Amino acid sequence: GEDVEQSLFLSVREGDSSVINCTYTDSSSTYLYWYKQEPGAGLQLLTYIFSNMDMKQDQRLTVLLNKKDKHLSLRIADTQTGDSAIYFCAESSPISGGGADGLTFGKGTHLIIQP
Amino acid sequence: DAGVIQSPRHEVTEMGQEVTLRCKPISGHDYLFWYRQTMMRGLELLIYFNNNVPIDDSGMPEDRFSAKMPNASFSTLKIQPSEPRDSAVYFCASSPSLLPGGTSGYTFGSGTRLTVV
Repeated sequence: GEDVEQSLFLSVREGDSSVINCTYTDSSSTYLYWYKQEPGAGLQLLTYIFSNMDMKQDQRLTVLLNKKDKHLSLRIADTQTGDSAIYFCAESSPISGGGADGLTFGKGTHLIIQP
Repeated sequence: DAGVIQSPRHEVTEMGQEVTLRCKPISGHDYLFWYRQTMMRGLELLIYFNNNVPIDDSGMPEDRFSAKMPNASFSTLKIQPSEPRDSAVYFCASSPSLLPGGTSGYTFGSGTRLTVV
């Protein structure tokens, strides 16, 4: 099964809040990350949260972490057209078949902004 | 630093041809990763290197794919022969460590969009 799961699409109206959800499997993850991929570009680190925190706020972004349920969310307040992108959740866990811990990415959530 | 540099940005090739994708990681980053992104499968890790040595290539789809890192500032991903199902965006990323702290994460290049016709 998937290590990191996200829904593929989210559609919101401009000005509303967007909430992008992610579930992960490795309870020993030290950091959890959100990356943003704009059209035609690579992934850029958007924000992160340390595993001993349950919330982190950075301007319009709020990250919530529920360690018990292994659930991570990214809330974008007052969503703008410039927020249209793919958002990836990532956890630190054994990557590929090698067994060493690295970053494991979800498939990404396409955020679609409606005018 | 110019970041992770990939070339070419776009590549269109005919089925059966050899394709070589190139990557220059950030200086001082000991880890280099090759990913493939498709709509169907999302982001897949193909292979990663530590200090120019391939550590895990279990994500490489088949023998047609090969990757090398002859020195700390250059890596290639080669597909020979290419097939239409190889069409995807290929990303290179680098990192100072396999498990970075929260302030860095992996740094990604802009990707190479490969189309095999």
